[in-house]
Amino acid sequence: DQQVKQNSPSLSVQEGRISILNCDYTNSMFDYFLWYKKYPAEGPTFLISISSIKDKNEDGRFTVFLNKSAKHLSLHIVPSQPGDSAVYFCAASGSGGSNYKLTFGKGTLLTVNP
Amino acid sequence: NAGVMQNPRHLVRRRGQEARLRCSPMKGHSHVYWYRQLPEEGLKFMVYLQKENIIDESGMPKERFSAEFPKEGPSILRIQQVVRGDSAAYFCASSPTTSGTETQYFGPGTRLLVL
Repeated sequence: DQQVKQNSPSLSVQEGRISILNCDYTNSMFDYFLWYKKYPAEGPTFLISISSIKDKNEDGRFTVFLNKSAKHLSLHIVPSQPGDSAVYFCAASGSGGSNYKLTFGKGTLLTVNP
Repeated sequence: NAGVMQNPRHLVRRRGQEARLRCSPMKGHSHVYWYRQLPEEGLKFMVYLQKENIIDESGMPKERFSAEFPKEGPSILRIQQVVRGDSAAYFCASSPTTSGTETQYFGPGTRLLVL
C-alpha cells in the first residue's frame, strides 16, 4: 500500500524551461514533506522541504507547492538545467513519535535536454 | 567535513552467506537510520538507532536482519543467510537530532547482490 505516489516514472524537459514533478499522498497524518535528488550510484541529496502549515516554499530555482486538501505536492524547477537530470524522490514524515520515519515515493527520472 | 560514509559500496554474496554493511554518520550526528531500496522501488525505512540503542526497528524483516550502533565505531546492518530477495541498495542516513523536520543526510549506499 503506497502512501506516497509519484505517478510519472519519467519526465523530459528542454533546458531553460520549467520542470514540474508531482507527488500525491494518502496518509493524512503526514505533516512534513521533502524532495530528494539522486544521481546514479549516489545517495539521495536533500533538496527542499515544506511543512504542512505552509503552501509554498522557495529556494532559488526550486519551489515546492503543497495542496493539503488534495493531498498533493509538486516541485517546480525553473529554469531547468542539464545538471538537474537525476531521479527525484518525494518523501513524507508524520506527526507524533515516529516523525523521523521518511516514507518515499518511487521517484521520477528527470531528463533535461540541452 | 566528511559526509555519511558507507562501506563497502558493492557487496556480492552467495545464498546462505552473511552480509555486513557499515555506516559512519556525519560528525556530530548521533542518530542513524537504515533504508532499503529494492529495484524499481522507493527507499523504505528499516531501522532507527542511537548509540547503543535500537529505537525503532519496525521496518526490519523479523528474521535474519539485525542492526547495531555501538558506543565506538560505525553502525552495522547484518543480514544472515542471505537470499536473492535481499539484493538491493541499502542506504544509511544520519541526523543531529530526531526531529522529523531535521534533514536526514544519506550516504552513497551499499549495493548488495546475492548470487
